Amino acid sequence: GQNIDQPTEMTATEGAIVQINCTYQTSGFNGLFWYQQHAGEAPTFLSYNVLDGLEEKGRFSSFLSRSKGYSYLLLKELQMKDSASYLCAVRDNTGGFKTIFGAGTRLFVKA
Amino acid sequence: SQTIHQWPATLVQPVGSPLSLECTVEGTSNPNLYWYRQAAGRGLQLLFYSVGIGQISSEVPQNLSASRPQDRQFILSSKKLLLSDSGFYLCASRVQETQYFGPGTRLLVL
Repeated sequence: GQNIDQPTEMTATEGAIVQINCTYQTSGFNGLFWYQQHAGEAPTFLSYNVLDGLEEKGRFSSFLSRSKGYSYLLLKELQMKDSASYLCAVRDNTGGFKTIFGAGTRLFVKA
Repeated sequence: SQTIHQWPATLVQPVGSPLSLECTVEGTSNPNLYWYRQAAGRGLQLLFYSVGIGQISSEVPQNLSASRPQDRQFILSSKKLLLSDSGFYLCASRVQETQYFGPGTRLLVL
């Protein structure tokens, strides 16, 4: 089966850096995604990792270690608008390439 | 690119009433389509996915069903709603390696 773990909540200060961790277990790993979801809205795509290493996109970076079943999302120069839930999701190639989502980490950015 | 439409945006229904939520997709033909449900403060639960017209895979046993009568149309239905069916229903389409979501339908069953 599949299992995805990430912290429930985190708080950080405007202008700081925050790292949101995600660990996963899956039988047919085929990529890891990070999504941002503001309250009451649909998730929006942030990043995709399928190979080990760091992918950087502006203020956001995502890291993957397949051997450890581990990823993190790094947010730099935090802004108040970054307050949202961040969902870690894993694509599994068994039974139809499904994407399984974690419960999400709610990030609160304070002034 | 893909544009995903869902309606209605919000729905309040009594227990035992039927349900029909519609999702249509503009863009790539023959997309993989998905229905997710998100309970308040919770993660996304995959309900159904479809790789083509008339092809539906169900992920969890429940009183919901899905149909795909056309290539870019995905419908979520129920004959009799339960209180536990309340939630935020999201339709998604996969483009290459990434899923994109529609705006969602917030369903409240009373």
